[in-house]
Amino acid sequence: QKEVEQDPGPLSVPEGAIVSLNCTYSNSAFQYFMWYRQYSRKGPELLMYTYSSGNKEDGRFTAQVDKSSKYISLFIRDSQPSDSATYLCAMSYTGKLIFGQGTTLQVKP
Amino acid sequence: EAGVTQFPSHSVIEKGQTVTLRCDPISGHDNLYWYRRVMGKEIKFLLHFVKESKQDESGMPNNRFLAERTGGTYSTLKVQPAELEDSGVYFCASSHSPGQITDTQYFGPGTRLTVL
Repeated sequence: QKEVEQDPGPLSVPEGAIVSLNCTYSNSAFQYFMWYRQYSRKGPELLMYTYSSGNKEDGRFTAQVDKSSKYISLFIRDSQPSDSATYLCAMSYTGKLIFGQGTTLQVKP
Repeated sequence: EAGVTQFPSHSVIEKGQTVTLRCDPISGHDNLYWYRRVMGKEIKFLLHFVKESKQDESGMPNNRFLAERTGGTYSTLKVQPAELEDSGVYFCASSHSPGQITDTQYFGPGTRLTVL
């Protein structure tokens, strides 16, 4: 069983839609949760991070963590074509990052 | 400020050959990480340097892989001899503050390795 499970998609939505991306994890020792965004032929770029249960908002993005269910989500409001990328959830453990497989998102104009 | 750079961007070699990948971290970053993504799989941790010392090399697949970070600046990852299953994208990341779980890792663009 993988430590972090993430549906690879692809996910295709129309411009303006609300996007929901999710990951589940198995290790309760994970304390720090991140979402990275990766454009084609580029390295992952940190989008948001949180280390407590609840919601964290940054502009059109909201990260949600439910430690009791071992479930994290990223919501994108008013999605734009420029949001088309692969979104990777990641957990920090002893300094190294444990990644999900990544969800490929396409936002169509 | 320059980001993490990696060289080459793409390497195509034959099975049995040797390849050396290079990573230049962000200036002043003591932490340097190597990760790898093979096709269809998630990005996986390979190893972690703090300055020139290997802090964690638990992700290194086997002894065909050798990582060095002489002088605590740039790092090299050598694969010798390369096998077909070594194909993938090798990412390097660096961060500033060791020992903090909130320390942000900044990734390079990756080196795409193809072993034929």
